[in-house]
Amino acid sequence: AQSVAQPEDQVNVAEGNPLTVKCTYSVSGNPYLFWYVQYPNRGLQFLLKYITGDNLVKGSYGFEAEFNKSQTSFHLKKPSALVSDSALYFCAVRPLLSGGYNKLIFGAGTRLAVHP
Amino acid sequence: DSGVTQTPKHLITATGQRVTLRCSPRSGDLSVYWYQQSLDQGLQFLIQYYNGEERAKGNILERFSAQQFPDLHSELNLSSLELGDSALYFCASSVLHRAGVDTGELFFGEGSRLTVL
Repeated sequence: AQSVAQPEDQVNVAEGNPLTVKCTYSVSGNPYLFWYVQYPNRGLQFLLKYITGDNLVKGSYGFEAEFNKSQTSFHLKKPSALVSDSALYFCAVRPLLSGGYNKLIFGAGTRLAVHP
Repeated sequence: DSGVTQTPKHLITATGQRVTLRCSPRSGDLSVYWYQQSLDQGLQFLIQYYNGEERAKGNILERFSAQQFPDLHSELNLSSLELGDSALYFCASSVLHRAGVDTGELFFGEGSRLTVL
């Protein structure tokens, strides 16, 4: 079965420290990979995506993600966390065998809490 | 602002009732997706429409139905509502890379929060 796992329900980080939010996936083929962020009472905002090419992808708000094919992972990172980064983060995958139709499979989400 | 508009933002209704949620996609986007977000189930894909036609179906109950109109707005109809249907319902639209194939990212509306009492 195709799935996305975010092993941590919550990640706590001090402001100014680097952060990592983990994501692993299990899908057929080489999927498209995404990160979204959700602030309270808001919709999901697209952060970044990996389709092909360089394994390190840069996105919005200083976030980046590293694709690792052998480990089937796509971890979200930021060198220096801000309190305003506190939100719910979702990893998502679109299997290329989905027939070109953009059905995204989302992980359960990881709540990031950045403390002053 | 993603450009995707959903109404209503909040809706409170009783069990057994029927509601309709409305979505207007970003200008030019032909694909519309509906997702349900609940505490216990997370984000679940319900259904996708492309240019008026159903393209993909996910975990959508038979009590739920959707359609996309010629002007590309979409409606999600929820009937015989149960307590467990209380959730945040998101609509999303996507960029069209070429005919029938998307580049990947979805743009989400702010959601419609449904409370069934």
